[in-house]
Amino acid sequence: QSALTQPASVSGSPGQSITISCTGTSSDVGGYDYVSWYQQHPGKAPKVVVYEVSNRPSGVSNRFSGSKSGNTASLTISGLQAEDEADYYCISYTSSNTVGVVFGGGTKLTVL
Amino acid sequence: QVQLVESGGGVVQPGGSLRLSCAASGFTFSSSGMHWVRQAPGKGLEWVAFLRYDGNNKYYADSVKGRFTISRDNSNNTLYLQMNSLRAEDTALYYCAKDRFALIPNYMDVWGKGTTVTVSS
Repeated sequence: QSALTQPASVSGSPGQSITISCTGTSSDVGGYDYVSWYQQHPGKAPKVVVYEVSNRPSGVSNRFSGSKSGNTASLTISGLQAEDEADYYCISYTSSNTVGVVFGGGTKLTVL
Repeated sequence: QVQLVESGGGVVQPGGSLRLSCAASGFTFSSSGMHWVRQAPGKGLEWVAFLRYDGNNKYYADSVKGRFTISRDNSNNTLYLQMNSLRAEDTALYYCAKDRFALIPNYMDVWGKGTTVTVSS
């Protein structure tokens, strides 16, 4: 399975909005609505912040939102806060070659 | 509370074997699809394997196919990962994660803290 493509890093100032993209193919991101996003702080386990493209789990701030267009999914964080500084990963169900899951390479978010 | 606790990690020589365990509590384990995900030191997350709720369908990453086997014991609420023919590139922190779906991978809503596997001579 090939990894989904994410930018290596993004940055923004407190209060601003940022968007992280996640590009795949029609066999994964483009073909299914099983795209989710995870936040990982250093030394901690990942935590889901968006699932099924645009749904937020209970307890996750409404500053986190997700969308998809074609083979690209996006995570937008509005009203940036210092605590948002973390690594973010997208994942998707995939039917390419074999059924399974494919991860993006991860994006380091820096809050300036 | 909902919890996953991994164990079984350690140092093993190249070509060796190791079995990881993941003890689940606080939710209906027998109704949940389960994953193993790993993270090499300083690297990103890599999906390893998924097993549906009844143990009947198993999906693997190409990098581990034929070497790793995922299994479960629903009577003891435990997930396993048997790792054979280990290579240096299998060195990583291995996470157990619960899927929101039972049948196919969707998203991982509960994660353990991980267990470390080091493959070195």
